[in-house]
Amino acid sequence: NAGVTQTPKFQVLKTGQSMTLQCAQDMNHNSMYWYRQDPGMGLRLIYYSASEGTTDKGEVPNGYNVSRLNKREFSLRLESAAPSQTSVYFCASTIERLAGDTDTQYFGPGTRLTVL
Amino acid sequence: SQQGEEDPQALSIQEGENATMNCSYKTSINNLQWYRQNSGRGLVHLILIRSNEREKHSGRLRVTLDTSKKSSSLLITASRAADTASYFCATDDLWQLTFGKGTKLSVIP
Repeated sequence: NAGVTQTPKFQVLKTGQSMTLQCAQDMNHNSMYWYRQDPGMGLRLIYYSASEGTTDKGEVPNGYNVSRLNKREFSLRLESAAPSQTSVYFCASTIERLAGDTDTQYFGPGTRLTVL
Repeated sequence: SQQGEEDPQALSIQEGENATMNCSYKTSINNLQWYRQNSGRGLVHLILIRSNEREKHSGRLRVTLDTSKKSSSLLITASRAADTASYFCATDDLWQLTFGKGTKLSVIP
């Protein structure tokens, strides 16, 4: 049982390049999330997916797109990377969400992205 | 956004001492969670306390919640060097969690 896995672990891009960050979970969770973490900051939500086939914007969605490929996988795409997107990106998943409630989230190890 | 705010931002203690971190938030919540992050790693869930609970224990961790003051505290007793990490509180906001900026705890052996 690997939990939440993310690839790649590290990535360096030039401004304007594109890339996709991959995330997969093997816990049969319905909901998945993408966060970014900048120095001295907490996590900020980029996008989330309540269930397979649905995605919603979080606090900082600009410059990103997501795909919920199936129940296991949730990818984050940067179409045209900018230096402001230099950050550590975390994927998370959670068990069934109850109406109006938010359950424990399980996090991946993160992807450290640098945009030059 | 009802982001939690942790206090202090940084805390340095000797091994064996207790560590207390506080979290304040702005609006009503269903639950509040605490997470730990070791340097360079992902977050790990520590404890969840619901709005109708006042105190919860898990091993050396004790969490309190005061909904009238919109605040929570995390107490780590008999700290160890391995407790060195950043600690975040997270409040639920409908279908999302909103994280504070964290308290960086250093436990000196």
